[in-house]
Parts: sequence; structure tokens; C-alpha cells
Amino acid sequence: KAGVTQTPRYLIKTRGQQVTLSCSPISGHRSVSWYQQTPGQGLQFLFEYFSETQRNKGNFPGRFSGRQFSNSRSEMNVSTLELGDSALYLCASSLVAGVNEQFFGPGTRLTVL
Amino acid sequence: KQEVTQIPAALSVPEGENLVLNCSFTDSAIYNLQWFRQDPGKGLTSLLLIQSSQREQTSGRLNASLDKSSGRSTLYIAASQPGDSATYLCAVPEAAGNKLTFGGGTRVLVKP
Repeated sequence: KAGVTQTPRYLIKTRGQQVTLSCSPISGHRSVSWYQQTPGQGLQFLFEYFSETQRNKGNFPGRFSGRQFSNSRSEMNVSTLELGDSALYLCASSLVAGVNEQFFGPGTRLTVL
Repeated sequence: KQEVTQIPAALSVPEGENLVLNCSFTDSAIYNLQWFRQDPGKGLTSLLLIQSSQREQTSGRLNASLDKSSGRSTLYIAASQPGDSATYLCAVPEAAGNKLTFGGGTRVLVKP
């Protein structure tokens, strides 16, 4: 069974640009969550999607948004990039909404110059 | 608000020694606790999920214990190997959802 996949793996952008990251969950999993990991703040929750609906949102500005498609694939978008958005963005999938074991993808490394 | 702490932040042991990694949380009303491993620049690999009703969970050389009343979990790795060198993170979910709160991690180095 294939694991969680994330594309692209690496991205370099400049300040003010926008970026879209993609996540494909494990087959059959319907919940997708996104996390930002930085050396200073550690792992922080961005949002969770289930059945194309955002179920939960972390404490990030509105520049961070996401969506989920009917096949459970998810995208997150960051607009007007700032230097502080440089981070490893991780996607996690779980079977359903609620409290479940979560499985993480390899991440997308975003560098903002 | 749930807070998760892992002490120490870094640990170095000689190969063959048993590893003991600690995780503490402030709100004991947890549904489960998950341990992850992260290699540098990589994603998280799920090691063990221990349910709130369980006292421990085992997988190979790994054993995780959970004491909800004291707000603690411990991950034991027996007979450590250089390949065990990584950062180990614990996480607990918020309420009845999939939002995880993570500890800061313990960076482990196993020296040959």
C-alpha cells in the first residue's frame, strides 16, 4: 500500500509570491491534516480536511489556505510569501475524522528568498 | 491548552545501551499518544500508538508506556543501534479530532 505522497519535495520562491503544495493520502484515508515544521517553533498544526470540509484550523494567518478534493487529495496554498514561511510542510492522513493514528508524508521543503 | 514536553532535547549513547525517552503532557484527558521518528530533513514515521486505555504498547525493540494520571509516556528502545539515531517526537490529539500537539522532540545519537 503506497504511503502519503507530497509534491513537490522542494520549492524555492521569493517574497510576495504564492505557492501551492499537494498531498495525496493513503488509499482509503479520508482525513488530511497539514503541519508546518520550523527549527524555532517545532511542529504546528495548520488545518485538517475531511470529506472536502475543513474541520479544524490552527493559529495561522489567512494567507494560509487549503482545500480537499473528492478523491481526498489535498492542496494547501500560501499567498504573499514571507521569509518566515520557510519551513518543512508536512501532510498527514488518517482513515476517518476523529482520533486516529496518523501517517505522515515526506514533506515539502519551502525556501523563501 | 495541552502542552507536550520532551526532556532531554538531545541524548547520546553508545551502541547497545537501552534508550529511555520521556514525554510529558499537561492535560491527562487524552485519547491516545503517538510516538514518531524523524530522520533529518524527512517526514515522520509512526512508531507506536498507545490508546488511553492501554498501559503499554510494544513493537519489536520498542516499548511505550503511558501513565495518564501523571501525564507521562516513556519510549524504551532496547539494545540501541547506530540506525536508531534520529529525532523522536511524541504527540497527543486535541479533544476528539486529528489535530496533534507535538513535543519538541529528543534528538538521539547512537555511537558505534
